[in-house]
Amino acid sequence: DQQVKQNSPSLSVQEGRISILNCDYTNSMFDYFLWYKKYPAEGPTFLISISSIKDKNEDGRFTVFLNKSAKHLSLHIVPSQPGDSAVYFCAAGFQGAQKLVFGQGTRLTINP
Amino acid sequence: KAGVTQTPRYLIKTRGQQVTLSCSPISGHRSVSWYQQTPGQGLQFLFEYFSETQRNKGNFPGRFSGRQFSNSRSEMNVSTLELGDSALYLCASSTHYQSSYNEQFFGPGTRLTVL
Repeated sequence: DQQVKQNSPSLSVQEGRISILNCDYTNSMFDYFLWYKKYPAEGPTFLISISSIKDKNEDGRFTVFLNKSAKHLSLHIVPSQPGDSAVYFCAAGFQGAQKLVFGQGTRLTINP
Repeated sequence: KAGVTQTPRYLIKTRGQQVTLSCSPISGHRSVSWYQQTPGQGLQFLFEYFSETQRNKGNFPGRFSGRQFSNSRSEMNVSTLELGDSALYLCASSTHYQSSYNEQFFGPGTRLTVL
């Protein structure tokens, strides 16, 4: 039962353009959502999060949008930089519990 | 501040053996969670400890167990290893298991290969 899904295994974007990573979920009870970035041979690094009561959160070049009716969230990176090339994981959780449910990840490649 | 450390970084075992992995959380963090990452299943939650007590458990067989010590360091143990246990095992720490956003800081992981 895949409660969090990232349907695109990979994405290639030109440097300076916008990168949009998508994530769908099935459990409407999730309280918050997070995005993590992972480089090879390293653990995931927290990027940005959003509470289920909000529809947008911004942090520098990173913006996360939440569409609760569609059970969909997306991560926008503007402008994309070569250092953004990594695997991005979408995750969801419940208030008061550390358990996170992760998507399968999307490998983002930024081309110069 | 030092990050989450995991030892060993790489491990090779054979089927039927058992293995113990170690995790030292960020200083001051009292909650430790463990995840298994495989190419087919992605990142899956194993269990979470806070104040030496298991607070939450994922859907894994009883061969997977863990514990947490008074200094918040944690170990996980896998007994009777199977080929399918080959994975990257990630440990994550956070300040409190009831924090609202639960930002977890991950270690680099232990790559376990079962032959």
